[in-house]
Amino acid sequence: DGGITQSPKYLFRKEGQNVTLSCEQNLNHDAMYWYRQDPGQGLRLIYYSQIVNDFQKGDIAEGYSVSREKKESFPLTVTSAQKNPTAFYLCASSISSGSSYNEQFFGPGTRLTVL
Amino acid sequence: AQTVTQSQPEMSVQEAETVTLSCTYDTSESDYYLFWYKQPPSRQMILVIRQEAYKQQNATENRFSVNFQKAAKSFSLKISDSQLGDAAMYFCAYRRSGAQKLVFGQGTRLTINP
Repeated sequence: DGGITQSPKYLFRKEGQNVTLSCEQNLNHDAMYWYRQDPGQGLRLIYYSQIVNDFQKGDIAEGYSVSREKKESFPLTVTSAQKNPTAFYLCASSISSGSSYNEQFFGPGTRLTVL
Repeated sequence: AQTVTQSQPEMSVQEAETVTLSCTYDTSESDYYLFWYKQPPSRQMILVIRQEAYKQQNATENRFSVNFQKAAKSFSLKISDSQLGDAAMYFCAYRRSGAQKLVFGQGTRLTINP
């Protein structure tokens, strides 16, 4: 079955530690995205990548970093510089920016809690 | 900057009835796409329906339909014959043509009463 997997489902981190969230897709999509969701709010874009070895900052990139070494994988690192990292993180992918709708398909998410 | 507003934080409807969720957006663009996503308690985001701005005909997907009013910048979602499985957060989203970024509204929590 094609889809997007995120791991782990729940993640706990101590203050001052970096942590990496995994996102893998087997949909052969070119573009991948990371969103953050806070209670009572919609999703906000952290980073996105249209192609391997290239990525752009979204609206709330401070304190986060990403890499795109493979088409299938787009890991997100939450660094100690992120002041309020406790949130639900969603990864998404889409075919390419050239397609009309370019609809995004989402993974099941990772809940990150900073202790 | 484009913004999306969902003015109803919570809505409830009786099972088998019809409910309409509101969404307005602000943009100066003429070519764009609009989406409704559903987020059930599992928190998996699921695309419900989509609409291209240049298409005047309202999109429909089974029990789900939209009322797209381009001049008013309104994009409401109608759910007919509501079912218990429709209970979820619903998010309206906007994407400018050629852009990667989806802009989301704050969401509406829909409760279905049996």
